[in-house]
Amino acid sequence: SYELTQPPSVSVSPGQTASITCSGDKLGDKFACWYQQKPGQSPVLVIYQNRKRPSGIPERFSGSNSGNTATLTISGTQAMDEADYYCQAWDSSTVVFGGGTKLTVL
Amino acid sequence: EVQLVESGGGLVKPGGSLRLSCAASGFTFSSYSMHWVRLAPGKGLEWVSSISGSSSYIYYADSMKGRFTISRDNAKNSLYLQMNSLRAEDTAVYYCARNPPSSGYGMDVWGQGTTVTVSS
Repeated sequence: SYELTQPPSVSVSPGQTASITCSGDKLGDKFACWYQQKPGQSPVLVIYQNRKRPSGIPERFSGSNSGNTATLTISGTQAMDEADYYCQAWDSSTVVFGGGTKLTVL
Repeated sequence: EVQLVESGGGLVKPGGSLRLSCAASGFTFSSYSMHWVRLAPGKGLEWVSSISGSSSYIYYADSMKGRFTISRDNAKNSLYLQMNSLRAEDTAVYYCARNPPSSGYGMDVWGQGTTVTVSS
């Protein structure tokens, strides 16, 4: 079965740029999405179709997808961005999530 | 307002059954594929199942096949998940989420979740 691999944790200082990677076989040939989930809350879609932002998502969130890796980049990271982030793709009509990355802003 | 509201969670013994519901409002329900996704304690998001707008296409994660059944009633704007032969590892918060028809769009609206606890 298809797998997506994320680093368990990423740390960033306020105001700096955070990058979270998601790796999968030929992931660049698929669409990737990213979700943010804070404790006790439902997930929120922050990036879809590799690089598009839903309305209401700040411009500091951006995405890319090429080769075997999709990347979520948060520029000018704020304390409110501290959360778990999940990548997601489709494989043969089934949905695959990455294991999630805990972003710590310190 | 676009909204998804799950219900039906609770405490059930191993081997038992539970039926989750998801009530949709504020959008044309039949135009969207829908998903069930779960979050187990200490784990990451796990996709459970999906169903197309007309129910023509239904998919399950391998670990749910044969135990879980997804369905929808477009006249009632409702999504369901029938869960049988429940195991302790099915303990999780279960979310319903909608998926716009565009390829690669992702799950753009999520419910608040309903908690399922499988324990004796």
